[in-house]
Amino acid sequence: NAGVTQTPKFQVLKTGQSMTLQCAQDMNHNSMYWYRQDPGMGLRLIYYSASEGTTDKGEVPNGYNVSRLNKREFSLRLESAAPSQTSVYFCASSARQKALYEQYFGPGTRLTVT
Amino acid sequence: QQQVKQSPQSLIVQKGGISIINCAYENTAFDYFPWYQQFPGKGPALLIAIRPDVSEKKEGRFTISFNKSAKQFSLHIMDSQPGDSATYFCAASNSGAGSYQLTFGKGTKLSVIP
Repeated sequence: NAGVTQTPKFQVLKTGQSMTLQCAQDMNHNSMYWYRQDPGMGLRLIYYSASEGTTDKGEVPNGYNVSRLNKREFSLRLESAAPSQTSVYFCASSARQKALYEQYFGPGTRLTVT
Repeated sequence: QQQVKQSPQSLIVQKGGISIINCAYENTAFDYFPWYQQFPGKGPALLIAIRPDVSEKKEGRFTISFNKSAKQFSLHIMDSQPGDSATYFCAASNSGAGSYQLTFGKGTKLSVIP
């Protein structure tokens, strides 16, 4: 099992460009999440999908959109990138059964917006 | 409003010493408190977790102590090793909310020196 995979690993964008970050999990998890990690700020939730077909805003959703394409895949889109969106983005997934809340994280995408 | 406050921001410990990281929370509805460990260039990974019905949980050299009345919990790393050098995040979740969201502290960078 690959666990949670993210593409790309690195990306440089110019202000105003758009891009989609891809995430896939092969653990048959119901819930998936997108976080951003900035120095000294910890991990902040952008959007999450509690189950296939549903998405909800997290703490910092502005400037982002998401799509839960199917049970395996959850993408994050930046429509018009801004320098404030320079960050490391992590996707995570978790199972809901057995009251397990462990979230499994992907390796991250390091995004720079110039 | 930060719901989980973590201290210290950074910590330097001698090999063989005890590392202690503290967290405090505000939301009394939180009922699950995990700690995540993150190595440079990697995604966070679950280290150990506790529920508020117990005051302490130990797994190997790692112990969580939980004080419900004070709304505080801490991670103790006994016999700290250079391989423990990483960033540690505490987190909290409200299972009753149904969304399985985790609220993270800002992280503690631990350096264990030989």
